Amino acid sequence: DSGVTQTPKHLITATGQRVTLRCSPRSGDLSVYWYQQSLDQGLQFLIQYYNGEERAKGNILERFSAQQFPDLHSELNLSSLELGDSALYFCASSPGQVNTGELFFGEGSRLTVL
Amino acid sequence: AQSVAQPEDQVNVAEGNPLTVKCTYSVSGNPYLFWYVQYPNRGLQFLLKYITGDNLVKGSYGFEAEFNKSQTSFHLKKPSALVSDSALYFCAVRDGMNYGGATNKLIFGTGTLLAVQP
Repeated sequence: DSGVTQTPKHLITATGQRVTLRCSPRSGDLSVYWYQQSLDQGLQFLIQYYNGEERAKGNILERFSAQQFPDLHSELNLSSLELGDSALYFCASSPGQVNTGELFFGEGSRLTVL
Repeated sequence: AQSVAQPEDQVNVAEGNPLTVKCTYSVSGNPYLFWYVQYPNRGLQFLLKYITGDNLVKGSYGFEAEFNKSQTSFHLKKPSALVSDSALYFCAVRDGMNYGGATNKLIFGTGTLLAVQP
């Protein structure tokens, strides 16, 4: 158990809909990272938050947004969903300050768009 | 830009035999390299990392990796494979780009599926 909690584990929705994925980082970790894993794109970095502020941005679509709250949990919002958004979405956390440490990953949220 | 490459989509090995999963990297500056494992329908689990020091790094579950600067490689190895080692393995490098603050963002390779036959 990495200590990173993601909900929901599975989500099935229709095209055009909006969903919210939630992540609780390990206790004490200030940074949260979101990744998307799909068969054709592999593991793609979406966005990082550090202590409530956006810190790094990857190939995140404009239909997607994220935020980190004062209690350090984070939410990834996906809107106007398309079939191609079906993927496994991972959240990871780290202590925050640049260090040599690894990222700790949650179990992921599997999104299926029908 | 930092990147890693995993040239093999799949590696097949018999139980009890040594295994190697290959990874090469391209970085500017000193590389911070990682190996993760993903079991079916699970998240990524950290195996080991190279930051500096000894080129042979030991990690979880009996895995080790050898950092080779001249060949820009960071291959994952295990002396004796187990069926339970069958999983998807990812090599990763820390992105050294400065976003104006703290980031340990990792860039992942495409993954190598390890299949260990009994």
